[in-house]
Amino acid sequence: GQQLNQSPQSMFIQEGEDVSMNCTSSSIFNTWLWYKQEPGEGPVLLIALYKAGELTSNGRLTAQFGITRKDSFLNISASIPSDVGIYFCAGQPTNAGGTSYGKLTFGQGTILTVHP
Amino acid sequence: NAGVTQTPKFQVLKTGQSMTLQCAQDMNHNSMYWYRQDPGMGLRLIYYSASEGTTDKGEVPNGYNVSRLNKREFSLRLESAAPSQTSVYFCASWGRQGASGANVLTFGAGSRLTVL
Repeated sequence: GQQLNQSPQSMFIQEGEDVSMNCTSSSIFNTWLWYKQEPGEGPVLLIALYKAGELTSNGRLTAQFGITRKDSFLNISASIPSDVGIYFCAGQPTNAGGTSYGKLTFGQGTILTVHP
Repeated sequence: NAGVTQTPKFQVLKTGQSMTLQCAQDMNHNSMYWYRQDPGMGLRLIYYSASEGTTDKGEVPNGYNVSRLNKREFSLRLESAAPSQTSVYFCASWGRQGASGANVLTFGAGSRLTVL
């Protein structure tokens, strides 16, 4: 199946630092989604991107849909302790038809630890 | 509005036992999905149901069966549990969420299954 390479695998940062993580694919996607998962919970959507080149912000979070449609990045500015969790990127293939909308390919996740 | 609800939250089985994970969504979404999450592997699709009355295999369907009981409910069954099925299972549904109306994948809180 399609592969999504998410990096870094883990990050240990000090409170107040900025964070950047990215996902790359060998295939083109027409949608990129970024999720955050906290311990014992399901992934929660942070940002959704639907157009190549799109740059979207949600508070301290900013994500971009790469112009080649094969990559996306997520930035977190001025990190705080509650940013701790696992961040996943997910892509929807361009060949997705009416029955494939939710068949997302997920990255392996980035584990973020924030030290106060 | 509860979103996606799945039960049980925790379950311990012996090898060879069977069990069913239940999932229900109240967002009137057509498509529903079962994913499993293993360390370092991200989320992998087990089965999905594009609409009521249809089900299809995902990336890792072996050892599982599903039933789309109605538009709201989608269950996952392990007929003869194996230690390799120890994992965290997430149900999800795809459809419009929030005022923006964008289509996204919404997850339940997860079911942690241990097979001894």
